[in-house]
Amino acid sequence: GAGVSQSPSNKVTEKGKDVELRCDPISGHTALYWYRQSLGQGLEFLIYFQGNSAPDKSGLPSDRFSAERTGGSVSTLTIQRTQQEDSAVYLCASSLLTGVTYNEQFFGPGTRLTVL
Amino acid sequence: AQSVSQHNHHVILSEAASLELGCNYSYGGTVNLFWYVQYPGQHLQLLLKYFSGDPLVKGIKGFEAEFIKSKFSFNLRKPSVQWSDTAEYFCAASGGGSYIPTFGRGTSLIVHP
Repeated sequence: GAGVSQSPSNKVTEKGKDVELRCDPISGHTALYWYRQSLGQGLEFLIYFQGNSAPDKSGLPSDRFSAERTGGSVSTLTIQRTQQEDSAVYLCASSLLTGVTYNEQFFGPGTRLTVL
Repeated sequence: AQSVSQHNHHVILSEAASLELGCNYSYGGTVNLFWYVQYPGQHLQLLLKYFSGDPLVKGIKGFEAEFIKSKFSFNLRKPSVQWSDTAEYFCAASGGGSYIPTFGRGTSLIVHP
């Protein structure tokens, strides 16, 4: 079946512009995560959508970052007034269940964001 | 704060050499542990996971990992690596009241043919 998809695959923008990154999770997966991967830094958690419960936004680095998940499916991550330090690969993952710790995460291919 | 440490950031091996990548976590209580792999140009995928039972976990492509609770470790092993194992390997842990896996910094493995 279809995996997690993300768009665009690459995004180059100018400092100060807003960007929107999209994630389509696997159908039926109730949990959705956003991570940021910088060179040599591993995966930095950003936000976790857990079904109908309020999202866990504890990883968002500033109020310039926001995310929403519409209809329990597609999610968009928005970065306002982008800065050069926002340059990274943004990864989306989904899992079948929420409220458990043994979920396998299925990752998308990522969006490589470059802020000039 | 909960953390996951991977002590080997870059590993270079020749084919047929044995591999062991270290992973330590700081969670107390029940913990679930994962190893993910990212092959060049591909997305992250699960290699293996531990959540209960036998602490020796076998995964895909001949990989295995051993959960040693007393050492807070979950090291990844493979007795004989192949060139196709060249990839980035990430250890992750969840538990301690959090449903959100924490990832280590990753280990870059290069296997020379």
